[in-house]
Amino acid sequence: RKEVEQDPGPFNVPEGATVAFNCTYSNSASQSFFWYRQDCRKEPKLLMSVYSSGNEDGRFTAQLNRASQYISLLIRDSKLSDSATYLCVVIFYNTDKLIFGTGTRLQVFP
Amino acid sequence: GAGVSQSPSNKVTEKGKDVELRCDPISGHTALYWYRQRLGQGLEFLIYFQGNSAPDKSGLPSDRFSAERTGESVSTLTIQRTQQEDSAVYLCASSLVHGANVLTFGAGSRLTVL
Repeated sequence: RKEVEQDPGPFNVPEGATVAFNCTYSNSASQSFFWYRQDCRKEPKLLMSVYSSGNEDGRFTAQLNRASQYISLLIRDSKLSDSATYLCVVIFYNTDKLIFGTGTRLQVFP
Repeated sequence: GAGVSQSPSNKVTEKGKDVELRCDPISGHTALYWYRQRLGQGLEFLIYFQGNSAPDKSGLPSDRFSAERTGESVSTLTIQRTQQEDSAVYLCASSLVHGANVLTFGAGSRLTVL
């Protein structure tokens, strides 16, 4: 089993829709969590950190569920410009590694 | 510098040749990371440096791969006797301190092995 897993998608949604992605991790000795966004043929860029209590940034909401070992990203009122691949990142205490999920591709259509 | 700089941006080489990829992290960032991304795939962790030391080299795919960092700044990823399966984008990232801060990525070095 991979240390960090994501549904690759693609998720095809119309503009204005709400869409959610999950990311599961296998090791409970996890430290920090992030969501990154990667546009086609570009480098990943930080979208938001994920805090234990959950956090929101505009149309984006990130949640952490330690008991079930997953993080989620919710996007409300989807825009065409949200089309990208969304990568979750987990840092593990015990191995000290920073592991990326394989990403979930989102395509927002008019 | 203002961002993470990688060179070359594109490299085409023949199978069996050695290549060197360079990464200039953001000034003052103590942690530096190398990832590999094959076409349509996720990011594969290769190695990270805290200062000039690499605590864990287990992500390097084979002994043809090596990396070093000097002056807590520039890092070089070397691939010896390149194979076609080495074709990928090699991404470098840096952060202020390992594990506590976000990563800033460079634009990557696209390697094509013919």
